[in-house]
Amino acid sequence: DSGVTQTPKHLITATGQRVTLRCSPRSGDLSVYWYQQSLDQGLQFLIQYYNGEERAKGNILERFSAQQFPDLHSELNLSSLELGDSALYFCASSPGLAGGEETQYFGPGTRLLVL
Amino acid sequence: LAKTTQPISMDSYEGQEVNITCSHNNIATNDYITWYQQFPSQGPRFIIQGYKTKVTNEVASLFIPADRKSSTLSLPRVSLSDTAVYYCLVGDEYNTDKLIFGTGTRLQVFP
Repeated sequence: DSGVTQTPKHLITATGQRVTLRCSPRSGDLSVYWYQQSLDQGLQFLIQYYNGEERAKGNILERFSAQQFPDLHSELNLSSLELGDSALYFCASSPGLAGGEETQYFGPGTRLLVL
Repeated sequence: LAKTTQPISMDSYEGQEVNITCSHNNIATNDYITWYQQFPSQGPRFIIQGYKTKVTNEVASLFIPADRKSSTLSLPRVSLSDTAVYYCLVGDEYNTDKLIFGTGTRLQVFP
């Protein structure tokens, strides 16, 4: 158990809909990262937040947005969903903002299926 | 941008030592090398991290040559439970948006 929690575990929705994925980082961690992993694909970095502020942005679509709240939990919002958005979405956390230097602790993921 | 290249897959047998090499020709001075392990439908898990020379922990060793253009993850005496995908990650604290996991190396351990 990494200490990172994600909800929901599974999500099934229809094209055009909007969903929100939630992540609670490990106690004390200030950075939260979001990743997307499509079937048989590698992990794609989406975005990082550090202590409430956006720190780095990867290949995140404009239809996707995220935020980190004062209690440090984070939400990833996916809107106007398309079939190709079906994937595993992972959240990770680390103590500071040193993304490549620090160990990232990953949550169990949310499996999104868009029908 | 320190792109990494790893073999797509490797096979081994229980009890053997497995070495997975990652190529990162464009590694920058401030970059660290980190390896993660991922089981199906689970989040990746940190294995080991290094900057140069050799690092060893309770589960693996990481060998980094002087030029740092490659690194080798060594798993001693693998078991069936080591069957997983292994990712090599290169990055520093300034370029989180450049962190690339890639497709990793799928290790299959046979009895």
